Amino acid sequence: GQSLEQPSEVTAVEGAIVQINCTYQTSGFYGLSWYQQHDGGAPTFLSYNGLDGLEETGRFSSFLSRSDSYGYLLLQELQMKDSASYFCAVKGSNYQLIWGAGTKLIIKP
Amino acid sequence: GAVVSQHPSWVICKSGTSVKIECRSLDFQATTMFWYRQFPKQSLMLMATSNEGSKATYEQGVEKDKFLINHASLTLSTLTVTSAHPEDSSFYICSARDRQGEWEKLFFGSGTQLSVL
Repeated sequence: GQSLEQPSEVTAVEGAIVQINCTYQTSGFYGLSWYQQHDGGAPTFLSYNGLDGLEETGRFSSFLSRSDSYGYLLLQELQMKDSASYFCAVKGSNYQLIWGAGTKLIIKP
Repeated sequence: GAVVSQHPSWVICKSGTSVKIECRSLDFQATTMFWYRQFPKQSLMLMATSNEGSKATYEQGVEKDKFLINHASLTLSTLTVTSAHPEDSSFYICSARDRQGEWEKLFFGSGTQLSVL
């Protein structure tokens, strides 16, 4: 089967850096995606790693290590608006995404 | 970027009635759309995969006769919750993949909060 694990909640301070980890078990692997979801809103795509290494998009970066079945999302210069839930996801059969349970990021001033 | 429009945003209905939720891709063609259900503070649960012009593929445990999905065109998919009951109350979200796009990048509708009384 396929499963993803990520922490349920992470707390950080405004202006700081936070890392959200994701470990996965899959029968086949085609890359790791990250999505952000604010309360009551829809998920929005943040980042994707198909190969090992770091992908940077502004304040957000995502890292993948396929040998370790592990990835993380790094958020820098945290702002209050970054308070949201963050989901990692991998591809399942039939091209749908398999989702992690989500990490609630709480940012304190 | 690609936009997916979902309506209604919220709906309150009486038990036993049916509710239709629409999901439209506004500026791209979506051969595949996905319907999710999400309970508070939980992850997205895939209900079904909707392919244009063919029958939807339902995930295990999802009643296809209760959750009717129609994908009649490349820009529209609908989910009908038939004979809704209070346990069907949830947040329903659709998503679509651009026909030319990457599998890993989904565009989501804004979701529909369904409350069944």
